[in-house]
Amino acid sequence: DGGITQSPKYLFRKEGQNVTLSCEQNLNHDAMYWYRQDPGQGLRLIYYSQIVNDFQKGDIAEGYSVSREKKESFPLTVTSAQKNPTAFYLCASSAGRDQPQHFGDGTRLSIL
Amino acid sequence: GESVGLHLPTLSVQEGDNSIINCAYSNSASDYFIWYKQESGKGPQFIIDIRSNMDKRQGQRVTVLLNKTVKHLSLQIAATQPGDSAVYFCAENQAGTALIFGKGTTLSVSS
Repeated sequence: DGGITQSPKYLFRKEGQNVTLSCEQNLNHDAMYWYRQDPGQGLRLIYYSQIVNDFQKGDIAEGYSVSREKKESFPLTVTSAQKNPTAFYLCASSAGRDQPQHFGDGTRLSIL
Repeated sequence: GESVGLHLPTLSVQEGDNSIINCAYSNSASDYFIWYKQESGKGPQFIIDIRSNMDKRQGQRVTVLLNKTVKHLSLQIAATQPGDSAVYFCAENQAGTALIFGKGTTLSVSS
């Protein structure tokens, strides 16, 4: 089935550690996105990429980094510079700007 | 700044009732709107979308209404079922950027 796969489902980070969240899609979508969701809140945009080898910062990019080397993959690294990383991270993809974004089932990141 | 918001954080209805979830947006340049449903521990699921050249769009048991004059968006769910219980988000797409999400309305359906 076509869709978006995020892994792992749960992730724990130690102090000073960088961690990478995986996002893979087989929908042949050009655009991919990373959002952060805090309890009881909406989604906030971290980074987005409209095409391979190009990406843009969203509203809360500080402490995060991304790469887009392949169309299917858009990994997110949560660096040690992100002081409050505990959240639910959601990846999405879309065929274009005026097309729906389709979401994965998220990765929940916690601090050890 | 520009933002998408919802009028009520929670809505409780009886099974079989019709539900109406409201959303106000502030950016008149937004031209594409989406409603999502999010169940606990899962990613948002697309329900229905509407473009700014339309006032109304219907899906299966759902209808989205767009009032550009007052910048208001609503989602109507007919014959609400317990499986409709979830958090509902509206989102707007402004020119050249990704979606901007509201904070969500939690719909609770009791039998």
